[in-house]
Amino acid sequence: EPEVTQTPSHQVTQMGQEVILRCVPISNHLYFYWYRQILGQKVEFLVSFYNNEISEKSEIFDDQFSVERPDGSNFTLKIRSTKLEDSAMYFCASKSGGPYEQYFGPGTRLTVT
Amino acid sequence: AQSVTQLGSHVSVSEGALVLLRCNYSSSVPPYLFWYVQYPNQGLQLLLKYTTGATLVKGINGFEAEFKKSETSFHLTKPSAHMSDAAEYFCAVSDPSSGNTGKLIFGQGTTLQVKP
Repeated sequence: EPEVTQTPSHQVTQMGQEVILRCVPISNHLYFYWYRQILGQKVEFLVSFYNNEISEKSEIFDDQFSVERPDGSNFTLKIRSTKLEDSAMYFCASKSGGPYEQYFGPGTRLTVT
Repeated sequence: AQSVTQLGSHVSVSEGALVLLRCNYSSSVPPYLFWYVQYPNQGLQLLLKYTTGATLVKGINGFEAEFKKSETSFHLTKPSAHMSDAAEYFCAVSDPSSGNTGKLIFGQGTTLQVKP
């Protein structure tokens, strides 16, 4: 069964460093998402991406964040200058369209020290 | 703005007992509704969804949920709990008016413990 994959599974970085989280969505899906879950809190929407552009972003998704689909298969989330409060589990998701469900990857745990 | 409330951050049941996980939503229009499950160190897996049609929906692993518009609820049930059901469960909604790109709004999650 097709699945969403994410790398790395765990990333440790120092405050102020740039990180890139990578995702490979399911191949025939058209809509892509990033969510995050801070430890002990709910899963929060960050950004949605369709037709090579951002379709919606949350208040969390400020200028420090960017997304890209560089090669038609990968979908990346970049945090330019990480802060301690960026420590969280980051989930990538994709869906084919319509009211269909989003398929989630296993997540990348980001730890900022 | 839409919101989702899951009553009870922890629910504990005995193996074989009924599982009931509560979800209420706040939305100006009937949303699409989802239940996801997260096993330890894994991603979110869809259990079931409601978009239109029959209000009682059946999902994987014997779970089902009923959309009750009058109560703005979408509670998840399973007649008989199994040890393997121990996990975190998330209720989520999306707004049909946001088109195909619809983001998911999640509840706080409920951890289900199943005792032998």
